[in-house]
Amino acid sequence: QKEVEQNSGPLSVPEGAIASLNCTYSDRGSQSFFWYRQYSGKSPELIMSIYSNGDKEDGRFTAQLNKASQYVSLLIRDSQPSDSATYLCAMNDSNYQLIWGAGTKLIIKP
Amino acid sequence: DAGVIQSPRHEVTEMGQEVTLRCKPISGHNSLFWYRQTMMRGLELLIYFNNNVPIDDSGMPEDRFSAKMPNASFSTLKIQPSEPRDSAVYFCASSFQLEHYEQYFGPGTRLTVT
Repeated sequence: QKEVEQNSGPLSVPEGAIASLNCTYSDRGSQSFFWYRQYSGKSPELIMSIYSNGDKEDGRFTAQLNKASQYVSLLIRDSQPSDSATYLCAMNDSNYQLIWGAGTKLIIKP
Repeated sequence: DAGVIQSPRHEVTEMGQEVTLRCKPISGHNSLFWYRQTMMRGLELLIYFNNNVPIDDSGMPEDRFSAKMPNASFSTLKIQPSEPRDSAVYFCASSFQLEHYEQYFGPGTRLTVT
């Protein structure tokens, strides 16, 4: 069965530090990888997409993909209290669906 | 540009009643997904449509659940009869094409069945 594993947390990070979120997956056929942010009581919001090995940077966010080791990570630089949320990792399967991780709760401490 | 629109935002109903959730996808998107989220089970895909046609409904929990997409700008998810275990947040998401995978979520409908 295709699985996406994330540490549920909570992950506590001091304000201004780098937050590192990780995700491992089992389906080697996955080609598209996504990070969603979900604030409490809100819907998931797409913040990063990555399709090839290596790093992809967007502002304070960097997504890293390593297909050989089957992991994808999200780095948040200069963490702010407003980054406190649950971060969901997702990737495609062969049926055009997204396979979802359970999410990691991130807490940024002022 | 308007995002995915869902209604109602909150629904409280009694066990046995019919519940209808509504969704309007982003204009120009041709794929639509219905999800359910609970603390215990996380985010679960119920059904998805491509060009108004249901592609995979294997996530629909049982025959009490049904979904339709009569046109490109409207979809419904119906539960009849509703049960307390159906209490959850129901999200609708849309994407430009199935192959693009990037899905954009609506605000959700919080359903409580008493």
